[in-house]
Amino acid sequence: GENVEQHPSTLSVQEGDSAVIKCTYSDSASNYFPWYKQELGKRPQLIIDIRSNVGEKKDQRIAVTLNKTAKHFSLHITETQPEDSAVYFCAAPGDSSYKLIFGSGTRLLVRP
Amino acid sequence: DGGITQSPKYLFRKEGQNVTLSCEQNLNHDAMYWYRQDPGQGLRLIYYSQIVNDFQKGDIAEGYSVSREKKESFPLTVTSAQKNPTAFYLCASSIVSGDTGELFFGEGSRLTVL
Repeated sequence: GENVEQHPSTLSVQEGDSAVIKCTYSDSASNYFPWYKQELGKRPQLIIDIRSNVGEKKDQRIAVTLNKTAKHFSLHITETQPEDSAVYFCAAPGDSSYKLIFGSGTRLLVRP
Repeated sequence: DGGITQSPKYLFRKEGQNVTLSCEQNLNHDAMYWYRQDPGQGLRLIYYSQIVNDFQKGDIAEGYSVSREKKESFPLTVTSAQKNPTAFYLCASSIVSGDTGELFFGEGSRLTVL
């Protein structure tokens, strides 16, 4: 079955710096890669996703890149702000396209 | 106001008791899911359902049961067979359109076994 590994588990950056979180997946047939943000005590919410027909997608300060050959995808946050502090999860489809397998999460702390 | 509602928000259970967590959605989504969240382990899939009266086991289904009698509702029962039930449980839904799409999560239910 699909396996999704996420690194690092914690990340601390200075406000204004960039943050990068990486995920690898095992199923080469996977074609959808979302990123969710979960603020403390709140529900996870989708912040950006990418499908396998593109290599990069940007939305203001966040971007996701995909390398299908290497089977990894990354979340990039530029000009980080304290409100970016949260846990971030990557995901990829499992053996069914309706079944998402999540990474173990990255706790991002942006220091003011 | 469309959304997905979980109840109760907090639940305490004695060992040996079954408990049922409620999940209701008014988004007209076909698919619904239950995930378990433990510290440092991300979200693990318990059960999912793509249509009414049908559901499939996820990666950690042992000790849990579900039903999908209505499109809007997908309750999860944590049985006494679940060895370590203390966790945060998240319900989600999504449109089934032949392609993977966004999951909409509820606010979660925190279960503590005393």
